[in-house]
Amino acid sequence: TQLLEQSPQFLSIQEGENLTVYCNSSSVFSSLQWYRQEPGEGPVLLVTVVTGGEVKKLKRLTFQFGDARKDSSLHITAAQPGDTGLYLCAGTPNDYKLSFGAGTTVTVRA
Amino acid sequence: NAGVTQTPKFQVLKTGQSMTLQCAQDMNHNSMYWYRQDPGMGLRLIYYSASEGTTDKGEVPNGYNVSRLNKREFSLRLESAAPSQTSVYFCAVPGGYNEQFFGPGTRLTVL
Repeated sequence: TQLLEQSPQFLSIQEGENLTVYCNSSSVFSSLQWYRQEPGEGPVLLVTVVTGGEVKKLKRLTFQFGDARKDSSLHITAAQPGDTGLYLCAGTPNDYKLSFGAGTTVTVRA
Repeated sequence: NAGVTQTPKFQVLKTGQSMTLQCAQDMNHNSMYWYRQDPGMGLRLIYYSASEGTTDKGEVPNGYNVSRLNKREFSLRLESAAPSQTSVYFCAVPGGYNEQFFGPGTRLTVL
């Protein structure tokens, strides 16, 4: 059983559409990160959220950390083909080691 | 400034063969990590090293050994490879807030 559950597992949308990826857990996290991974490469950090209720924006990407610090979401506005990739959430429950979700594969069709 | 480097990038082994995956960092971090990534399972921690000379087991250590040769280098060894060890292996070093900076990965196939 994954400590962090991501949904959906796969997402295929047309260029210009919006999408949301969810990351949920029953555990409380001191911080949550979102990574994007392109084929043949390692994951690259997009953002870290640390405060319950926090919202961070990175151009067309909006990240939200739940008030209870148990969940997070990633919203992409007007998706572009360059947004295609595997999106991973990760977090540290209290003092435990970093745990990763299984990932959401996003495909944006031109 | 290469960050985290890994060698080799690809490897094919036969069952029972051994090999060592190499990782080096120029970010001057005390901690280094080895993960494996399998479809539908995210990244799972194999071993980590909190400082030079120390290593600890992660979530999936069976079948692997590690060596923290010095502050820069952390190697992962498969003594007798099995098909279940077919995976993509990533080395990582920490950032702030428990973030990780990853190497480019080694894609290993065990036949």
